[in-house]
Order: sequence, then structure tokens, then C-alpha cells
Amino acid sequence: GAGVSQSPRYKVAKRGQDVALRCDPISGHVSLFWYQQALGQGPEFLTYFQNEAQLDKSGLPSDRFFAERPEGSVSTLKIQRTQQEDSAVYLCASSLEYRGPPGELFFGEGSRLTVL
Amino acid sequence: AQSVTQLGSHVSVSEGALVLLRCNYSSSVPPYLFWYVQYPNQGLQLLLKYTTGATLVKGINGFEAEFKKSETSFHLTKPSAHMSDAAEYFCAVLVAGGSYIPTFGRGTSLIVHP
Repeated sequence: GAGVSQSPRYKVAKRGQDVALRCDPISGHVSLFWYQQALGQGPEFLTYFQNEAQLDKSGLPSDRFFAERPEGSVSTLKIQRTQQEDSAVYLCASSLEYRGPPGELFFGEGSRLTVL
Repeated sequence: AQSVTQLGSHVSVSEGALVLLRCNYSSSVPPYLFWYVQYPNQGLQLLLKYTTGATLVKGINGFEAEFKKSETSFHLTKPSAHMSDAAEYFCAVLVAGGSYIPTFGRGTSLIVHP
């Protein structure tokens, strides 16, 4: 596709359920980022991939959060045993560059997770 | 460490009036700076960026921003607001030589009155 695609767009989970959020970046983009955006807040960094390598996962809030990008393209963010505080919009962004002066991040529309 | 502060969670202007959205950054090394816009139910999209060179940067939709090192600022302006400018605006900072992970501000909601 032409842009970054995220699915599902909306997810309602009961507390304790596991969820998986998918990101399909722009073809050929090396870098992939996951951000969490709480209501009324800016995007908060979760994790970063360069191709299939997860270079930084310092933003993952707990060990219930796990992300992977096994073939260097599609990425999945998994949240185990969801809690109400996990309710947020999860944003995926990709970028062609991985070194040197940074270019533009291309964002998907996000996956809105509501935990009841 | 890098951080960015956006003053004012909401800015309200009349159509045709000057738009000024404030952004101050904190970085121990020369930063790269960005403004992104988010329309309702859409992803963030780049308005403009400063990397090196000219400190006055022009972006899409008539927006521009000026990098002022002495003030550690990168304020976003537009001479004349249009109704279609109503959106959420995010400032972001990134430090060269590191992991190239942008840090975003909390955002400023621009409200445009007819």
C-alpha cells in the first residue's frame, strides 16, 4: 500500500485478555517505531526496529509488552494480560533512513485499544 | 537527554489571524526539530523539519518555523489561519549520533473560529 497500515483500528478487550496489534510499514522502510498515545497526550516512545533487529525497547512499560518484526517488514505489538492503564492509541511509524540526518516518520492511523 | 515542551495545550484564533504555537527543546547537542500535524482520526504527518542550514524553515500549508538556538525554541507560525488548520500539532526533537528516536511534546490543539 501507499502508507503505513495498522490493524485493528479499534480493539476492545476485557481486563486480562491478550491483544495483538499489527503494523504494515511502507515497503522498503528500514526503521519502524511504536509509540503509545494516551488521551490528550503526545506520542510516547515504546520500541524501535531497524529491519528485524529490535535496537531499543526502553519505552515498553512492562514485561507484558512485547514487539517483534521477524522478517524486517510487518511488526506486531503484543500486550499480555491487559490492564485498564493500557488503554491508549498505539501508533506505528516507519522511516526510510536509519542513519545520518533524519527524514520523515510516516505514521499509521493508529490502533485504539480500550480495556474494560 | 532530549525533551520538548509545548506551551499551551489549546490555542484559539480567529480565521485570518496569526497562528503561533510554541515549542522549546532541551538537548545537550545540536538537535533536529520537527513539527507534525494530526487531523481527527488520522495519523501524524510532517509539516516541516529543521536539520542543518537555514534556521527559518518553510513547510506545507503556509506554515513556517524558526530555529533559535539562543532561546532553545522552534515556534510554529502561520500568517493567516484557515478553518482547515484546526488540528493537533506536535513538536518533536531528535539528537544526532544517538538512536535517532524522536521525542514528542504533549501537543497543542489549534482551534480556529469563523
